[in-house]
Amino acid sequence: GEDVEQSLFLSVREGDSSVINCTYTDSSSTYLYWYKQEPGAGLQLLTYIFSNMDMKQDQRLTVLLNKKDKHLSLRIADTQTGDSAIYFCAEEFYMDMGRRALTFGSGTRLQVQP
Amino acid sequence: EAGVAQSPRYKIIEKRQSVAFWCNPISGHATLYWYQQILGQGPKLLIQFQNNGVVDDSQLPKDRFSAERLKGVDSTLKIQPAKLEDSAVYLCASSSRQIQLYGYTFGSGTRLTVV
Repeated sequence: GEDVEQSLFLSVREGDSSVINCTYTDSSSTYLYWYKQEPGAGLQLLTYIFSNMDMKQDQRLTVLLNKKDKHLSLRIADTQTGDSAIYFCAEEFYMDMGRRALTFGSGTRLQVQP
Repeated sequence: EAGVAQSPRYKIIEKRQSVAFWCNPISGHATLYWYQQILGQGPKLLIQFQNNGVVDDSQLPKDRFSAERLKGVDSTLKIQPAKLEDSAVYLCASSSRQIQLYGYTFGSGTRLTVV
């Protein structure tokens, strides 16, 4: 079945870049997503990438996709204390009849130190 | 655009009691999902609706969990009777058929504590 793996914890200093990595298993995934979850809050969509792309940049966020290795990364430039949160990688998997849903990794807790 | 609404925000019940959660998705979103997020884990899909029909409930513990989506809009998720291991955040999400712009939108969740 589908499986998404992430490292559990990342600590960086304010102003540095953060890189959060993810591996997934479903080669048929069309979209891959990054969500942010702050304490006590729901999931906030940060960005997504279509599987025929290698890279997507959105302000301080850069997503890199290596489809051959099934590896996805999220780079946050100039990391701020407000970026401290849990980041989830998710792959979209297809069932039949056009049904689709998300499979999530366990999340990477990003701690930004001032 | 209004987001996905969920209530209640928090619920504490004793084991073997019943509980129900409510979700109102984004207007016009045909697909609705319920996810369970246990502390320290990523969300796991429980059930998926397309309009008012169930399209996947393979991960739903049907001996105690039930869900419905009447009229293809609001949805309720019920647990009866609750167990200690049901303590989690229950997230509702909705998506439209053309997801390029919106993706899957999640509500703030209902945090359930079973004591």
